[in-house]
Amino acid sequence: KNQVEQSPQSLIILEGKNCTLQCNYTVSPFSNLRWYKQDTGRGPVSLTIMTFSENTKSNGRYTATLDADTKQSSLHITASQLSDSASYICVVRAYGNNRLAFGKGNQVVVIP
Amino acid sequence: GAGVSQSPSNKVTEKGKDVELRCDPISGHTALYWYRQSLGQGLEFLIYFQGNSAPDKSGLPSDRFSAERTGGSVSTLTIQRTQQEDSAVYLCASSLGQGRDEQYFGPGTRLTVT
Repeated sequence: KNQVEQSPQSLIILEGKNCTLQCNYTVSPFSNLRWYKQDTGRGPVSLTIMTFSENTKSNGRYTATLDADTKQSSLHITASQLSDSASYICVVRAYGNNRLAFGKGNQVVVIP
Repeated sequence: GAGVSQSPSNKVTEKGKDVELRCDPISGHTALYWYRQSLGQGLEFLIYFQGNSAPDKSGLPSDRFSAERTGGSVSTLTIQRTQQEDSAVYLCASSLGQGRDEQYFGPGTRLTVT
């Protein structure tokens, strides 16, 4: 079983609307969690990083939340734009481990 | 400054041939990672280099896969006797070092084995 599960697998939203992506993880002990954005044909780019003590962090129209007790994170996209069409990947690092656990990504398509 | 670069961007090869994929990390980054991304799947860790330490090869799927990092900079991932299941995007990432450091990814090499 994958240590990082993301939902929904894919979604289509209208330009200007908001959406929320979910990430559940079982990685332990927890060190940090990153959300990456991967445009088609490109490598992933980090959007946010969250550590155990952080509950919410924003990067422009992207807001990530973390509940370390329930091992859940979300990424909220506000007022979506066509350029938000991408795969959003949740990545979790275990404490003391150089390896990362990757989710399969949420595929977001924004339509006009 | 320049980001992580990879070459070639696309590679089509016949089953059974050997291929070499190249990664140029960001200057000064001591850590380098190789990942494989298959369609509809998450990133799969292959190998990790950190400075002069012995690489973590635990993610390599078979002995047909190997990687080198010369002079602590450029890295080459070699796949021998390619199989169709090797078809995927191979991503390279580099970071400043251990810990919480952000990994910066290259654009990837799309490998197609026919």
